[in-house]
Amino acid sequence: GENVEQHPSTLSVQEGDSAVIKCTYSDSASNYFPWYKQELGKGPQLIIDIRSNVGEKKDQRIAVTLNKTAKHFSLHITETQPEDSAVYFCAALSRDNQGGKLIFGQGTELSVKP
Amino acid sequence: EPEVTQTPSHQVTQMGQEVILRCVPISNHLYFYWYRQILGQKVEFLVSFYNNEISEKSEIFDDQFSVERPDGSNFTLKIRSTKLEDSAMYFCASSGVRVNTEAFFGQGTRLTVV
Repeated sequence: GENVEQHPSTLSVQEGDSAVIKCTYSDSASNYFPWYKQELGKGPQLIIDIRSNVGEKKDQRIAVTLNKTAKHFSLHITETQPEDSAVYFCAALSRDNQGGKLIFGQGTELSVKP
Repeated sequence: EPEVTQTPSHQVTQMGQEVILRCVPISNHLYFYWYRQILGQKVEFLVSFYNNEISEKSEIFDDQFSVERPDGSNFTLKIRSTKLEDSAMYFCASSGVRVNTEAFFGQGTRLTVV
């Protein structure tokens, strides 16, 4: 079945620096890739997503890139702020899946130090 | 902004007891999901629900689990006879008119089985 691997598991950056989180997926039929931010004690919050017909998408300080050939996608956060500190999850959804099942990566705990 | 709401936020139950976790999905959404997250681990898919029936379920979702949409707004997850290993955060999610659209998550119910 589909598997999503996410790296690194923890990431510490200084405020203002960039952060990059990478994910790989195994199912070549995957065509939708959302990223979620989870703050302590809260549910995952969708922050950005990308579909397989584009290679990059940007929303203010957040961008996601997708390489279908290599089956990996990445989250880029620029000018990080302390409020960006959270656990970030990537996920993948296969076009062959009729049930909408998202497969999540293991999560990356991002810490932004002021 | 519309959101998915879950009740209760925390439930403590004795092993062997039945629990019902409740969710109110976003009102115009058609697809509903339950996921769980054991402490420190990735978010795992349990079940998806569309048009008043289960679309897909994972191997975790055995005969002890059931879902129901008892009225036009609520979506429930029932665990018939809880086990210690059912202790986790349970997240409800919903998505719109197509299965591969953005899924929005509730804040979760922390289930503790003692």
